[in-house]
Amino acid sequence: AQSVTQLGSHVSVSEGALVLLRCNYSSSVPPYLFWYVQYPNQGLQLLLKYTSAATLVKGINGFEAEFKKSETSFHLTKPSAHMSDAAEYFCAVSEVTGNQFYFGTGTSLTVIP
Amino acid sequence: NAGVTQTPKFQVLKTGQSMTLQCAQDMNHEYMSWYRQDPGMGLRLIHYSVGAGITDQGEVPNGYNVSRSTTEDFPLRLLSAAPSQTSVYFCASREGQPIYNEQFFGPGTRLTVL
Repeated sequence: AQSVTQLGSHVSVSEGALVLLRCNYSSSVPPYLFWYVQYPNQGLQLLLKYTSAATLVKGINGFEAEFKKSETSFHLTKPSAHMSDAAEYFCAVSEVTGNQFYFGTGTSLTVIP
Repeated sequence: NAGVTQTPKFQVLKTGQSMTLQCAQDMNHEYMSWYRQDPGMGLRLIHYSVGAGITDQGEVPNGYNVSRSTTEDFPLRLLSAAPSQTSVYFCASREGQPIYNEQFFGPGTRLTVL
């Protein structure tokens, strides 16, 4: 089975600072990779996804992520944090074949004014 | 277009009681799934369905049953609730293929089992 590791369950950044949320996956074959965001008391919303095309993926709200096969990583970044970015962020992976979907344990992002 | 809807939003059960969590989508999506979200665990797949009449187990299926009689509905049944099933439950749907299509999530059902 696939697995996803998110380093850092809580990350705090100052408003305007770089946001970096880390995600590593375990698979010998590059899977499909996703980042989701969850605002308090809401469901999840897709930020971006990697589907074996471009390794640098741009998503909504100014977020982007880079797929690095050599590091089995898919870290999420945003150049300048906004207060509205405060939320829980989940990295997820699915195999290229099959219908199973695996989430990481999540990273809670706090933005300090 | 309501997207993915879930009822109820909150539920409290006693150990051993049964109940059904409802999920419906109006996007004609083939694929539907149920997840549970627990602190520090992320979301874990319980069951999924790739179309009416077809269901399969996910990562944590024990204690849950599902059926898919229509494209729109995908109920999750707890036959005999246990405190370990206290969680927030999310239903999601997406177009069937390709499998990296965006999943749309419902607002969740917060379940407490006493």
